[in-house]
Amino acid sequence: NAGVTQTPKFQVLKTGQSMTLQCAQDMNHEYMSWYRQDPGMGLRLIHYSVGAGITDQGEVPNGYNVSRSTTEDFPLRLLSAAPSQTSVYFCASRMNRGSEAFFGQGTRLTVV
Amino acid sequence: GIQVEQSPPDLILQEGANSTLRCNFSDSVNNLQWFHQNPWGQLINLFYIPSGTKQNGRLSATTVATERYSLLYISSSQTTDSGVYFCAVRLNAGNMLTFGGGTRLMVKP
Repeated sequence: NAGVTQTPKFQVLKTGQSMTLQCAQDMNHEYMSWYRQDPGMGLRLIHYSVGAGITDQGEVPNGYNVSRSTTEDFPLRLLSAAPSQTSVYFCASRMNRGSEAFFGQGTRLTVV
Repeated sequence: GIQVEQSPPDLILQEGANSTLRCNFSDSVNNLQWFHQNPWGQLINLFYIPSGTKQNGRLSATTVATERYSLLYISSSQTTDSGVYFCAVRLNAGNMLTFGGGTRLMVKP
């Protein structure tokens, strides 16, 4: 049981490049979400999904797109990377609305 | 939106000391979790504690939802306890977690 798996662990992008951060979970969880963590701060919600085909915006959605075509996967897309998106990105999942959340190991993204 | 405040923001302890970390939140919640972010950046689940008291080894947590706070107790601290401790809450009507700013703990040998 791998839990929540994020790839890649590290990435450097040039301003304007696009990329997709991958998140997969093998626990059959309905709820998945993406957070970003900036230095010295707590995590802030970017986008979330309550099930396949359903996504919604969080606190800081600008510059990011998501889709949820399967229960297992929840990719986060940066269409045109900006230096302000330099951060550590965490994916999380949980079984349902009231259950415990579990986090992946994070992706450290640097945009130069 | 909901406000989640953690105190103290920074804490330095000598190995073997005890400590209490506090999490205050501004609205009714029905999900509260404590996490430890280790020096490598991993978020480790400590407690899922919407109410009541739980214990796990040297750590314990208490949430008093009606008074909108939670406490994390660390006893006989060890250097491996160093890192940042976060609480995160979910509103009764919400879908996702809101994190506090964290308490940065350093335990000195």
